[in-house]
Amino acid sequence: DQQVKQNSPSLSVQEGRISILNCDYTNSMFDYFLWYKKYPAEGPTFLISISSIKDKNEDGRFTVFLNKSAKHLSLHIVPSQPGDSAVYFCAAILEGSQGNLIFGKGTKLSVKP
Amino acid sequence: NAGVMQNPRHLVRRRGQEARLRCSPMKGHSHVYWYRQLPEEGLKFMVYLQKENIIDESGMPKERFSAEFPKEGPSILRIQQVVRGDSAAYFCASSLMDTEAFFGQGTRLTVV
Repeated sequence: DQQVKQNSPSLSVQEGRISILNCDYTNSMFDYFLWYKKYPAEGPTFLISISSIKDKNEDGRFTVFLNKSAKHLSLHIVPSQPGDSAVYFCAAILEGSQGNLIFGKGTKLSVKP
Repeated sequence: NAGVMQNPRHLVRRRGQEARLRCSPMKGHSHVYWYRQLPEEGLKFMVYLQKENIIDESGMPKERFSAEFPKEGPSILRIQQVVRGDSAAYFCASSLMDTEAFFGQGTRLTVV
């Protein structure tokens, strides 16, 4: 039973354009969300996070939007660069939990020059 | 300050052998998490440990798998009598309380 869903296994975007990666969740008790980026044969790298009390968090080219009523969050990357090509994982933490992350299956982003 | 260190990076075991995966958290981090990534899957939580304590092992298979985080030394994930289905990438992460987790580069276990 997948509590965090990334329904697009892959996404291809032209360099310079916007990349939008989507994530849906089913458990309304999640109170913290994170995005991780993963290159092949490496561990996931933390990218950006958002608390459930916010609807937007921005860090440079990366912005995460949270729509609690829709149980949906998205990661926007603009402008996209070829070095952004990686697998992006959405993760969530349950309110009151000890911090263990529940991950989606990931979306593979390819940014073409 | 080194990041989360996992070793070995690659481990090959024959069916029935034991696999030991090591994780040294970032300096100052007392929370360690183990995750497993099967082919074509996302990362699945296995166990959460603090020094000398298992806090949450709800993601650990009931048999053959164990984890520890001793007072001194790295955290160890042990898999006894490995089977082919144990082949996966195993990632360790560490964190301070209530902050994002930092991941190691993972150990890729192959059971032949």
